[in-house]
Amino acid sequence: GAVVSQHPSWVICKSGTSVKIECRSLDFQATTMFWYRQFPKQSLMLMATSNEGSKATYEQGVEKDKFLINHASLTLSTLTVTSAHPEDSSFYICSASPHSGANVLTFGAGSRLTVL
Amino acid sequence: AQTVTQSQPEMSVQEAETVTLSCTYDTSENNYYLFWYKQPPSRQMILVIRQEAYKQQNATENRFSVNFQKAAKSFSLKISDSQLGDTAMYFCAFMKHLNTGNQFYFGTGTSLTVIP
Repeated sequence: GAVVSQHPSWVICKSGTSVKIECRSLDFQATTMFWYRQFPKQSLMLMATSNEGSKATYEQGVEKDKFLINHASLTLSTLTVTSAHPEDSSFYICSASPHSGANVLTFGAGSRLTVL
Repeated sequence: AQTVTQSQPEMSVQEAETVTLSCTYDTSENNYYLFWYKQPPSRQMILVIRQEAYKQQNATENRFSVNFQKAAKSFSLKISDSQLGDTAMYFCAFMKHLNTGNQFYFGTGTSLTVIP
């Protein structure tokens, strides 16, 4: 079945630094990947849709200069949290749909970011 | 706009018993997909079951089944013979096709606790 790998699973950084999270589709090509943010005991909040070879589409209220998304290949999308602050601490989840259109979303295991 | 409503923030069930989680949605689309995802304490999102809107027959996956009422826009999940490992957050999700790709919408989740 489709597998999405997300790395790192947990990262701690100092305020003001940048952190990169990778999302890879291991056994399928994904022209589109999604990035979500999840606060404790809440639902997934879509941050942006990452499109291979083009600019990401950000949801309203999400700062594109703060959360840089790059989708350089059909199997890799990255989310970079720039100049991180403690309020950026959260659980970030990526997901992807197989290019062939399996009509299902496969999720990565998530990345817990803690900004000190 | 599509919305997905889960009206039960928390539920509990005795081990081996049956529980039903409710989900309603609002859409003007005729062709779409519905999902139930499970998020255990590990926070990995796992697909539980999927239903195509054009299929009248309710989807089943072992102990998991749905009651899909298209006219009522209702999509409930029934878990039979509940097991301790079923303890998790359950998210109902709606997907529609766009020219730019698939669009997913998630409910706010139901926290299910299976009591031994």
